[in-house]
Amino acid sequence: LAKTTQPISMDSYEGQEVNITCSHNNIATNDYITWYQQFPSQGPRFIIQGYKTKVTNEVASLFIPADRKSSTLSLPRVSLSDTAVYYCLVGDRSSSNTGKLIFGQGTTLQVKP
Amino acid sequence: DVKVTQSSRYLVKRTGEKVFLECVQDMDHENMFWYRQDPGLGLRLIYFSYDVKMKEKGDIPEGYSVSREKKERFSLILESASTNQTSMYLCASSTSLATQYFGPGTRLTVL
Repeated sequence: LAKTTQPISMDSYEGQEVNITCSHNNIATNDYITWYQQFPSQGPRFIIQGYKTKVTNEVASLFIPADRKSSTLSLPRVSLSDTAVYYCLVGDRSSSNTGKLIFGQGTTLQVKP
Repeated sequence: DVKVTQSSRYLVKRTGEKVFLECVQDMDHENMFWYRQDPGLGLRLIYFSYDVKMKEKGDIPEGYSVSREKKERFSLILESASTNQTSMYLCASSTSLATQYFGPGTRLTVL
């Protein structure tokens, strides 16, 4: 399983763009990159997933370079409600895979007014 | 929307008690998971199940067992609760391992 490395914490101010980078040097060919968001006292929530290049949804963008050894979650114009822990995961998306995902410690994003 | 529910948000038990944590999902997902989350340690996988009556150990299965008699329900059992099992317990379900949907969590305190 590919191990991921991301910063423990980040600070930002309201209205700024926040980029959180995750390193996954041992990513396998079939692995997808998925990001989750977790608020205090809640379970993690899926926010975005990608395989290569760029993916964008209503919440965030995910940038993946050609070598796929890292990825960057981009949150445009953050607000106080974006204060949360963000997890980067790498795993095989096939339904026949009964392996495990590894949740690291995540990145705690603190958005200040 | 996928809905994963857990039987209790908060639970207080005594050392030595048998504890059942229930998780139900309504999206016909094959895979279900139990994690515990502790400060500074992130989420750690206890057990997962990829089909009815099938289970596999995660990273920290000691002191726990699981039951999956029906596809929608996955139970975590603490045979004899101990104080070091005080934690937040999170259940998740998925059709693929890279996209998991989590329940709200159960904060268990063992006295």
